[in-house]
Amino acid sequence: EPEVTQTPSHQVTQMGQEVILRCVPISNHLYFYWYRQILGQKVEFLVSFYNNEISEKSEIFDDQFSVERPDGSNFTLKIRSTKLEDSAMYFCASSEGGTTGGEQYFGPGTRLTVT
Amino acid sequence: GQNIDQPTEMTATEGAIVQINCTYQTSGFNGLFWYQQHAGEAPTFLSYNVLDGLEEKGRFSSFLSRSKGYSYLLLKELQMKDSASYLCARDSNSGYALNFGKGTSLLVTP
Repeated sequence: EPEVTQTPSHQVTQMGQEVILRCVPISNHLYFYWYRQILGQKVEFLVSFYNNEISEKSEIFDDQFSVERPDGSNFTLKIRSTKLEDSAMYFCASSEGGTTGGEQYFGPGTRLTVT
Repeated sequence: GQNIDQPTEMTATEGAIVQINCTYQTSGFNGLFWYQQHAGEAPTFLSYNVLDGLEEKGRFSSFLSRSKGYSYLLLKELQMKDSASYLCARDSNSGYALNFGKGTSLLVTP
């Protein structure tokens, strides 16, 4: 069964450093998403991406965040200057259609720890 | 906003039936999702309701009332492995994002 993959599974970085989280969505999916989940809290939407551009972003997704689809398979989330409060599990997801089309498939997540 | 409310915790006995309720703001609403999340893992899709009524899928069923902004997830014949967090989510007004509730942590006891 096709699945979304993410690397690395765990990333430790120092405050102020840049990190890039990588995702490989399911190959025939057209919509890509990033969510985050701070430990013990709810899953929060960050950004959605369709047709090589951002289709929606939340208030969390400020100027320190960016997304890119550098080639036909990868989808990345960059955090330019990490803060302690960026420590969270970051989930990538993909879907065939937008949310009105049904299921989003989530990757296993990257646990980001900022020290 | 799109406030989504669901109980924080529930406990049920193996073999029993449990109903997890969810209420949401109806403005700009298209559909309601339920996801299951085991500790330390990613959310996995359970159901998607667009129309009013009950949709059954094996041991799990999901109900939606669009006019009341209300949904529930019904789990039958509970098993120990059903102990997890159950996340209610609705789509954003634009249809490009999922907004999740805080989740209901279900504990199934022997």
